[in-house]
Amino acid sequence: EVQLVESGGGLVQPGRSLRLSCAASGFTFDDYAMHWVRQAPGKGLEWVSGISWNSGSIGYADSVKGRFTISRDNAKNSLYLQMNSLRAEDTALYYCAKGGALAAAGPGDYWGQGTLVTVSS
Amino acid sequence: DVVMTQSPLSLPVTLGQPASISCRSSQSLVYSDGNTYLNWFQQRPGQSPRRLIYKVSNRDSGVPDRFSGSGSGTDFTLKISRVEAEDVGVYYCMQGTHWPQTFGQGTKVEIK
Repeated sequence: EVQLVESGGGLVQPGRSLRLSCAASGFTFDDYAMHWVRQAPGKGLEWVSGISWNSGSIGYADSVKGRFTISRDNAKNSLYLQMNSLRAEDTALYYCAKGGALAAAGPGDYWGQGTLVTVSS
Repeated sequence: DVVMTQSPLSLPVTLGQPASISCRSSQSLVYSDGNTYLNWFQQRPGQSPRRLIYKVSNRDSGVPDRFSGSGSGTDFTLKISRVEAEDVGVYYCMQGTHWPQTFGQGTKVEIK
């Protein structure tokens, strides 16, 4: 059974940092791209970042470029999102999503339950 | 960035009747490999999103065949042949062809 479990969310002050993690199981992690997607309270889905299976291709939404860094550890079946210089508008539920063999396929058939990030003083 | 524009944003439907959602992209979504990376997602209230359709018209495993996707280039459609109560939620189109990848605004489907 495929499982994606996010962790690392919480309440953080503006300007501070947070690191999200996503533990994957039930599939061959290093065969697939992975993505982070977020959803602000009461709002729609926003793609945040994606990474190819070998980390050779990485992309970011304009809203987070230069502040967030995606990475993966295939030996640990884990995906990460380092979030720096956090702003109130980064407040959202952050989902980890399994991608396709190609990063262009986008978030795919499995998503986690999300981890909530709240940026507030 | 590629802008994905959905219409309508709200769709009241009668049980058993068909429904259709349009999604238009600001650029062609044909990728260098010849595929078109246009996906459709369903998000039921209180749940994580679920992909229904990938590469324009391919249904994911377990997705009822009343859902179908079509289109090409910049113009795409999700159709539900006969709406059921469990179809209530928000539907999003999403393109993966161009980075950054982008979602449409979402279409809220509700029962009349």
